[in-house]
Amino acid sequence: ETGVTQSPTHLIKTRGQQVTLRCSSQSGHNTVSWYQQALGQGPQFIFQYYREEENGRGNFPPRFSGLQFPNYSSELNVNALELDDSALYLCASSSGQTDSTEAFFGQGTRLTVV
Amino acid sequence: AQSVAQPEDQVNVAEGNPLTVKCTYSVSGNPYLFWYVQYPNRGLQFLLKYITGDNLVKGSYGFEAEFNKSQTSFHLKKPSALVSDSALYFCAVRGRSGYSTLTFGKGTMLLVSP
Repeated sequence: ETGVTQSPTHLIKTRGQQVTLRCSSQSGHNTVSWYQQALGQGPQFIFQYYREEENGRGNFPPRFSGLQFPNYSSELNVNALELDDSALYLCASSSGQTDSTEAFFGQGTRLTVV
Repeated sequence: AQSVAQPEDQVNVAEGNPLTVKCTYSVSGNPYLFWYVQYPNRGLQFLLKYITGDNLVKGSYGFEAEFNKSQTSFHLKKPSALVSDSALYFCAVRGRSGYSTLTFGKGTMLLVSP
């Protein structure tokens, strides 16, 4: 098991609502990335935070936003939820911005939008 | 744009037989390549990575992968499969030039029969 923890593990929301997902990174890791994994698909990159600053973003609309805190934990916020937002949301942490560094993933949050 | 192709949705192999899970990639310049495994209702677990040097990379649980630059491939292999190896396997690539995200393939389900 990695030291990356996510909460909650499961969540059901209604279309149009807002949701906040949380991630605690592995000790010593200052970089957190968020991914969306739809059913039957590979993870898709949402954005990355390094030392509390967003330093990369995938092809997701602005209603997907995030934060990283001084202890390097992170939040993913999604506004105006749509049915297609139903997915497994994965948080990954790594030590620094070196591209060769592997990311360690949490167990994910399963979001269902009804 | 970088991309990963995993041409097989599913690979079936008998326990004790060798296994191969295929991956090809497209990226500008030299790649960093990764393999992850996902068990049901779990996050992704890191298996191995290629950075530079020896084209045969050894990883966790007896897995290895062979990097072939001319064929832009990074196939995952194991000499003798176990039933417990049954899971979803993801190949991922990251470029080396400037900021680059981690791009995943759609995954290959490995089923090892007793």
